[in-house]
Amino acid sequence: GEDVEQSLFLSVREGDSSVINCTYTDSSSTYLYWYKQEPGAGLQLLTYIFSNMDMKQDQRLTVLLNKKDKHLSLRIADTQTGDSAIYFCADIGSQGNLIFGKGTKLSVKP
Amino acid sequence: EAQVTQNPRYLITVTGKKLTVTCSQNMNHEYMSWYRQDPGLGLRQIYYSMNVEVTDKGDVPEGYKVSRKEKRNFPLILESPSPNQTSLYFCASRLGNTQYFGPGTRLTVL
Repeated sequence: GEDVEQSLFLSVREGDSSVINCTYTDSSSTYLYWYKQEPGAGLQLLTYIFSNMDMKQDQRLTVLLNKKDKHLSLRIADTQTGDSAIYFCADIGSQGNLIFGKGTKLSVKP
Repeated sequence: EAQVTQNPRYLITVTGKKLTVTCSQNMNHEYMSWYRQDPGLGLRQIYYSMNVEVTDKGDVPEGYKVSRKEKRNFPLILESPSPNQTSLYFCASRLGNTQYFGPGTRLTVL
């Protein structure tokens, strides 16, 4: 079945870049997403990328898509303590549902 | 303001006592769904609805019911809650390729 995998933890220092990686199995994916969940809060859509794109940049966020390897990454430049959260990679499943990874907890140390 | 609302936000109940978590969206979206989030498992879809009176099972539907009598509301019903349904629940609605999530309902079943 469709699956999305991502590493569970990432720790960086404030001001550094963070790179969160994700792999997915569905080769027919049309859109891939990154969601952010702050402690005790709901899910916030950060960005998404259409499958015919290799890269999408939005301020401090850069999404890279390698469709051949089914690999998606999210780079956060100049990471701040406010970026500490869980980041979920998600793929659209065949029934229109979102298939989520287990989430990467990003810890930003001052 | 366009939003998805859920009530209650927090609920502690006992095994076997029927409960309903309400979900409402004001964006006239046809597609709505429910997810549960558990540590180490990410988010998994419980049920979804493509439109009024059209509902279907997601990945983990056991122990849950839903109804979609009108477009804006999509309640989640637990007829006989059990402790393994202790979780964080998210309702979502979708337009095109973008899903909007509610703030979450933290349910504890004792």
